[in-house]
Amino acid sequence: KAGVTQTPRYLIKTRGQQVTLSCSPISGHRSVSWYQQTPGQGLQFLFEYFSETQRNKGNFPGRFSGRQFSNSRSEMNVSTLELGDSALYLCASSLATGGLGYTFGSGTRLTVV
Amino acid sequence: GNSVTQMEGPVTLSEEAFLTINCTYTATGYPSLFWYVQYPGEGLQLLLKATKADDKGSNKGFEATYRKETTSFHLEKGSVQVSDSAVYFCALSLNYGGATNKLIFGTGTLLAVQP
Repeated sequence: KAGVTQTPRYLIKTRGQQVTLSCSPISGHRSVSWYQQTPGQGLQFLFEYFSETQRNKGNFPGRFSGRQFSNSRSEMNVSTLELGDSALYLCASSLATGGLGYTFGSGTRLTVV
Repeated sequence: GNSVTQMEGPVTLSEEAFLTINCTYTATGYPSLFWYVQYPGEGLQLLLKATKADDKGSNKGFEATYRKETTSFHLEKGSVQVSDSAVYFCALSLNYGGATNKLIFGTGTLLAVQP
């Protein structure tokens, strides 16, 4: 059974650019969540999608957005990148709404220069 | 609000030593509790979980018991190995009758096991 797949694994972008990260959940999982991990702020919740609908959103500016497709794959987009957006972005999937635990991908390491 | 507090690291132990990483939580409602582990350069792996009071989660020699009276979920292992060196995260999740929820993480505890 394939795990959660995130692409790309590493990414370097310039300030002001935008970036799109992709997440393919475990087959059958309908919930996809995104987290940002930084040394200073730790793990912070970005948003969760379930059946193509955003169900919950964390305290991030509107530059951070996401979507989920009918096959449950999800993308997140960050526009007008800032140096502080440099982080490991983790995607997690679960069958329903996470009560049984999430399975995480290996993450996308974004560096903004 | 809902939050997780775990002990500061790093925790440095010799191989075969006993491990305890403390975790306490504050939650409105009845959370599910988790321990995740992160190895260098990797994402998070679910180590164990407990969904109600007095449940004991266990995996790979690690154990944690959901203590509602002390709002704690301490991680223990009787004999650590060098391969257990990683960052350990305690987390909670609240689920209101199927409504969406999110994981709230502690700050993580770095464990370094020396041979």
